[in-house]
Amino acid sequence: DTAVSQTPKYLVTQMGNDKSIKCEQNLGHDTMYWYKQDSKKFLKIMFSYNNKELIINETVPNRFSPKSPDKAHLNLHINSLELGDSAVYFCASSQEPLIYTEAFFGQGTRLTVV
Amino acid sequence: AQKVTQAQTEISVVEKEDVTLDCVYETRDTTYYLFWYKQPPSGELVFLIRRNSFDEQNEISGRYSWNFQKSTSSFNFTITASQVVDSAVYFCALRAAGNKLTFGGGTRVLVKP
Repeated sequence: DTAVSQTPKYLVTQMGNDKSIKCEQNLGHDTMYWYKQDSKKFLKIMFSYNNKELIINETVPNRFSPKSPDKAHLNLHINSLELGDSAVYFCASSQEPLIYTEAFFGQGTRLTVV
Repeated sequence: AQKVTQAQTEISVVEKEDVTLDCVYETRDTTYYLFWYKQPPSGELVFLIRRNSFDEQNEISGRYSWNFQKSTSSFNFTITASQVVDSAVYFCALRAAGNKLTFGGGTRVLVKP
């Protein structure tokens, strides 16, 4: 019954490694997002996809690459992880282009780079 | 550009007190929506309420109420008779054209028994 699910929930990895976070939504929404929440709880959008097409790409290092195989999935791949990448990453979805609809969030993936 | 400011970083109250969270926003769009989300200690983000830019009528939903004033670009949120379970970080958010949901910095609410 989970609307937006992310895996894994926790990820601890060493600097320089490559890792992926997966996200799936079963709400039938057209748009999915990745948000980053830093240690001060600040939430910032990274990417947004609408029907598998990239529509928002904020200033994010090229080491971050989103991939949307279909509109129900949006994965985030991170190359050459750095200490500063440690954060909680949230996947979300909403029904666009209806701006009144709220975004539904996954439970978050806490990434720790050591 | 959109911007949401939550000036209060942390509020501490005793149970049963009312808590009001301030939110001020900036946008050039005439059509937009405002939201409040709650993030409890468990970490998930939970949608609470929304209000559109054309409806300044204030509402109450259970122990939650909100005060939207377009003239001052404010969208304040009140929890009445707070409970320990209300302890969380509360985020105000804005969505306008371009579909991007922009969050404020959050206000941590601590309700003590």
